[in-house]
Formats: sequence, structure tokens, C-alpha cells
Amino acid sequence: DTGVSQDPRHKITKRGQNVTFRCDPISEHNRLYWYRQTLGQGPEFLTYFQNEAQLEKSRLLSDRFSAERPKGSFSTLEIQRTEQGDSAMYLCASSFQTGEGEKLFFGSGTQLSVL
Amino acid sequence: DQQVKQNSPSLSVQEGRISILNCDYTNSMFDYFLWYKKYPAEGPTFLISISSIKDKNEDGRFTVFLNKSAKHLSLHIVPSQPGDSAVYFCAANVGGAGANNLFFGTGTRLTVIP
Repeated sequence: DTGVSQDPRHKITKRGQNVTFRCDPISEHNRLYWYRQTLGQGPEFLTYFQNEAQLEKSRLLSDRFSAERPKGSFSTLEIQRTEQGDSAMYLCASSFQTGEGEKLFFGSGTQLSVL
Repeated sequence: DQQVKQNSPSLSVQEGRISILNCDYTNSMFDYFLWYKKYPAEGPTFLISISSIKDKNEDGRFTVFLNKSAKHLSLHIVPSQPGDSAVYFCAANVGGAGANNLFFGTGTRLTVIP
């Protein structure tokens, strides 16, 4: 297993455009998380899935953001009508435990720059 | 409101010496703590964790100490090696809660000088 993979690694877009990121988790993991990290900050939770069900969305996730995990495998995160404030590193993570002791396995992230 | 704080943005240590990274938290409900390490262009990787029923957890060169009364934890790396140079994030949540309730600090960049 090669771990969590994210595509693309970098994305530069113009304000107002839509972008979509993909995450492929570790295959046996049932939970998949999306985090956002801005410069000088730690990762901040956006949303997560258990299998194909999206169980929680953070207040950080405006209605321009949507995430899917069809069939409980890979996940996509779409941002519509991007704004400069969306510029950040978007991290995907997966896990196979729940509750205390849950250890996240992160991908390398997608660095988004909105011009 | 930053519930997990790492007040030192950076730390430099000579190879072979001890590195001590500090973390403070404000939420007294937190009872499970983790450290993640992040190299440039990579995602964070899990390093070590501790439950509030313990005050120390050790894994090789890495030891985490927890002082619940002070709401403070620290990560000790002994001896420090150049490969330890990375950004270290402290994270905390309430036991039984998943990573959707995991709060990260802002990170400390450790540089180990050969």
C-alpha cells in the first residue's frame, strides 16, 4: 500500500473558477477526512466520511465547498467560485480506528493558489 | 479561539542534544494528545500520543510528558538527529471523539544542526 495520495499536488486558478481535488485513502481505511492548512497554522478540520456517508461538516466549510466519497473509496473536494481566501493547503487523511487512539494518515496535500 | 497553543514557532538544537517542544491547551476536557511531524512537501505523520491517564509515554528517542494541572505537554527528543528537522504539531481531543474533533497547534519548526 502506497499510503494516502492526493491529486493534484499544486493548483493555480483564477478567482471565480471552480476547482476539484481528489484523494485516494489507504484501501482498508473506513474514515476519510479533509483538512485545510494555511501558512503558520495547524490543520483545521473541514469534513469527514465514514465509508460513503458524510457525517460532519465544519463551520469553515461554506456552501461553495462540496465533498463526496462515492462507494466509500476515493473522495473529491470541489470549491466553486474560488476566492483568494481559499488559498491554502488542502490535506486529506484516512484512518481505520475510531475514537481515542485514532491515528490519521495524511496525504501530501494539494496546494491551492487563487489569483 | 486557539485551544491548542505552541508558542515557540521555531527551535534550533545541536545534533546529539535534547530537543524539547512545548504545547499548552486551554480546554480541560481534552484527554488525548498526539504529536505529528511534518517534512516539507509531505503531509503530517503520526509520531507519538498520550492519554490523560498517563503522565509519560516513551517510544525510542521520543518521550511525551503530560502535566494536566498545568494543561501542558512537551515532546522530548534525545538524542536529536538532523533527520528530526521538521515541523512538529501538537494535537488534542476529547477521549472517544474522532479526529473530527481533533485540534492542532500552530506548529514548531525544529532544526537540528549537524
